[in-house]
Amino acid sequence: DIVMTQTPLSLSVTPGQPASISCKSSQSLLYSDGKTYLYWYLQKPGQSPQLLIYEVSNRFSGVPDRFSGSGSGTDFTLKISRVEAEDVGVYYCMQSIQLPWTFGQGTKVELK
Amino acid sequence: EVQLVQSGAEVKKPGESLKISCKASGYTFTTYWIAWVRQMPGKGLECMGIIYPGDSDTRYSASFKGQVTISADKSIDTAYLQWSSLKASDTGVYYCARQEYRGGWDVWKGMDVWGRGTTVTVSS
Repeated sequence: DIVMTQTPLSLSVTPGQPASISCKSSQSLLYSDGKTYLYWYLQKPGQSPQLLIYEVSNRFSGVPDRFSGSGSGTDFTLKISRVEAEDVGVYYCMQSIQLPWTFGQGTKVELK
Repeated sequence: EVQLVQSGAEVKKPGESLKISCKASGYTFTTYWIAWVRQMPGKGLECMGIIYPGDSDTRYSASFKGQVTISADKSIDTAYLQWSSLKASDTGVYYCARQEYRGGWDVWKGMDVWGRGTTVTVSS
């Protein structure tokens, strides 16, 4: 199975300040079609996961532009330019290039 | 609006059987895969397996093969996850989620729509 490793596992951020989460995969997520199958999800407290970013850097419908994704191959980053109260929760990266889909351990983001 | 509506919370005893459901609406059920994802208490997300309702093609993660059965009834746009004999370690929240398959390239995109989850508690 592909191992997804996130850092840090927790993050305490002052509202209005930026935040960054790293995700590394044990093998390349670049597929032969030229796309990279790396996704970011946010699970808000008491809710189901919601898709934020697909294929490394594309914001899903309705996702604010303060969220951005970058990276290639095996190294990826999710950035929040200015954290807001509604951004608290656990962030997961996930790969879908090889079954079973695997997730990172999750990064818990809270406000200072 | 695309929705996946999951069945309600269940409390069961070890050894009992259980079947939970995920009803799709707002899109053509037979053109997307459905993934089942487990979240044990206080833990992360684990993919259990996926099913294509169009022909019931099912792929299980090795950790879950033989432990659960994934099925679908395309006549009522509903996917299922079932256990024949529950264990305490099956306690958790189970999510279904929709997933697109890029057939020309034999690759799946990530899940874009999720159900709200079904909480399963197994306790004697």
